[in-house]
Amino acid sequence: EAGVVQSPRYKIIEKKQPVAFWCNPISGHNTLYWYRQNLGQGPELLIRYENEEAVDDSQLPKDRFSAERLKGVDSTLKIQPAELGDSAVYLCASSSPGWLAGGSSYNEQFFGPGTRLTVL
Amino acid sequence: AQSVTQLGSHVSVSEGALVLLRCNYSSSVPPYLFWYVQYPNQGLQLLLKYTSAATLVKGINGFEAEFKKSETSFHLTKPSAHMSDAAEYFCAVSSPGGYGKLTFGQGTILTVHP
Repeated sequence: EAGVVQSPRYKIIEKKQPVAFWCNPISGHNTLYWYRQNLGQGPELLIRYENEEAVDDSQLPKDRFSAERLKGVDSTLKIQPAELGDSAVYLCASSSPGWLAGGSSYNEQFFGPGTRLTVL
Repeated sequence: AQSVTQLGSHVSVSEGALVLLRCNYSSSVPPYLFWYVQYPNQGLQLLLKYTSAATLVKGINGFEAEFKKSETSFHLTKPSAHMSDAAEYFCAVSSPGGYGKLTFGQGTILTVHP
C-alpha cells in the first residue's frame, strides 16, 4: 500500500514569492491534515479536511495561506506571499477511523515525508 | 486545552543501554497518547499508542510506554538501544474519539553511541 505522497520535497524561494505544496493521501482515507513543523519543534496543525470540507482551519493564517482539497482526494496548500518566518517543514497526514472495544474511535494518522520550505 | 512536555531535547545513550524518553501531558479529559519517531528527512512514523485499554503499551522496534494517570506521564522506554534507534521522538496527545487532532511535544533527539 502506498503511503502519503508529498511534492516537492524541497523548495527554496525568495520572500514575497508564492509557493504551493501538494499532497496525495493514502487511498480511502477521508481525513487529511496539513501540519507545519518549525525547526526544533513538534508539528502544529494548520488545517483538517473531512473529504472536501475544511472542518478545522482555526490555525491557518488566512491572510496568506490557503488550501483546497478538490474531490476529497489530493490537496494543495498555498502561501502567497511567503515570508521569512514561513521557513519550515510542511507535513501532510491522512487517516481513517479505527474502532476500539466499547465503540469509541480514534484516528491513526499516517504522515508523508514533508516539504522543506526555505524562504530567503 | 491539551499540551505535552517532553523533558530533555537531547538524550544520549550507549548502544545496549536503556532508553528512557520522558513525556508529561496535560488534558482536561482522559487522553489518547502517542509516540512517533522521525528519521532525518522523513515523515513521522507511529511507534505506539495508548487508547485507554492496557496502561502498558508495546510498540514497534522493541519500544514500550506506560500510561500513569497519577503522574500524567507516558514515558517511552526500550531495554537495549540500537544504533538504528537514533532519531527524533515526539510525544503527542489527542482527545478520545472523533477526529484525533494531535498536539505534539517539542521532540527529543536520541543519539546512540557505539
